[in-house]
Amino acid sequence: KNQVEQSPQSLIILEGKNCTLQCNYTVSPFSNLRWYKQDTGRGPVSLTIMTFSENTKSNGRYTATLDADTKQSSLHITASQLSDSASYICVVRQYGNKLVFGAGTILRVKS
Amino acid sequence: DAGVIQSPRHEVTEMGQEVTLRCKPISGHNSLFWYRQTMMRGLELLIYFNNNVPIDDSGMPEDRFSAKMPNASFSTLKIQPSEPRDSAVYFCASSLDSYNSPLHFGNGTRLTVT
Repeated sequence: KNQVEQSPQSLIILEGKNCTLQCNYTVSPFSNLRWYKQDTGRGPVSLTIMTFSENTKSNGRYTATLDADTKQSSLHITASQLSDSASYICVVRQYGNKLVFGAGTILRVKS
Repeated sequence: DAGVIQSPRHEVTEMGQEVTLRCKPISGHNSLFWYRQTMMRGLELLIYFNNNVPIDDSGMPEDRFSAKMPNASFSTLKIQPSEPRDSAVYFCASSLDSYNSPLHFGNGTRLTVT
């Protein structure tokens, strides 16, 4: 069954600290993996898209990694800010156009 | 660019009424998607269009739901008749292509059916 599992479900960190969110998937055949950030009351916003051949990609303080062999991805947030508080959604595109969404990790950054 | 524009932002209606959600995609994008988000089920694809043609509507829950894209700059999602279980946030998204480009989401329509 094609699934995307994210962990943890929720996370609370202090402003300025780093954190890492995990995404494991069983989607096959794999096309690409995306991370989205969704602020409360808003639509998701794309952070990164990685294909099979890419194992790391950065977008400012966000760095995503991909291990296509173990079917794992992580999103690392450096020097967190209050504005990083959001839900982070891992999405895997199955070859042939189907997108499989994870349930998301809710991050709260405290001052 | 104004991004994907959805209207209304909030809709409260009574069971049995018709509901129409509207979406204006980003100009130049040729793929358009309708999603539904709930706490229980997360984001679910309802239907997507490529070049105004419906490609996959397998996510449409039942015949009460219908979607149209009469031109490249406008799409509607209609629910008739609405039921309380349709209460959710409905998102429209567009992309340059349906494979490797990111989805650009609107800010959604929060639908409450009483």
